[in-house]
Amino acid sequence: DVKVTQSSRYLVKRTGEKVFLECVQDMDHENMFWYRQDPGLGLRLIYFSYDVKMKEKGDIPEGYSVSREKKERFSLILESASTNQTSMYLCASSFGSGEQFFGPGTRLTVL
Amino acid sequence: QQQVKQSPQSLIVQKGGISIINCAYENTAFDYFPWYQQFPGKGPALLIAIRPDVSEKKEGRFTISFNKSAKQFSLHIMDSQPGDSATYFCAASMGNFNKFYFGSGTKLNVKP
Repeated sequence: DVKVTQSSRYLVKRTGEKVFLECVQDMDHENMFWYRQDPGLGLRLIYFSYDVKMKEKGDIPEGYSVSREKKERFSLILESASTNQTSMYLCASSFGSGEQFFGPGTRLTVL
Repeated sequence: QQQVKQSPQSLIVQKGGISIINCAYENTAFDYFPWYQQFPGKGPALLIAIRPDVSEKKEGRFTISFNKSAKQFSLHIMDSQPGDSATYFCAASMGNFNKFYFGSGTKLNVKP
């Protein structure tokens, strides 16, 4: 079974802090994604990566950056956390076009 | 601009009834239409998916109906069960990078 793991289930940070969210997949998938999930807005794509060291902006990249140094690991970085970044963050991976496999999510609260 | 519009936002169905969730899209280049199911505290998981070369796909109690000319697709859950209570997301994608556009989600509550 494909497994996508995220480093934390719950995270509480202060405004202005630098925040790292880590995602690891174990199926050698080439594509990896970061979404945020907010009630009534569904899942919105922040960034995605189709290869090591490659990244593409999604629909809401402002305030975020990403890093993909190894194929299995995709990190989301909040350079200076703000209260409007309080959300559920979901990581996903896929091979080619087709099913995306999601991690359990990280619920981030920025105070 | 939302690429995929989903309705209703919430749905209450009696056990044994039919649950119907609808989605509409604009971009005719979309070539993959999955439905994801999400239980509280879990990430979304693929439920069923369809490509535009067929009008219907059935897997157990779950059926996708696809209307290419109307640019609409829907999820039907037959004989709905309390265990089906979850949030459902439709999505659409195109191209090799597999970028998904998700609907806003439907929270389904199946009452015993």
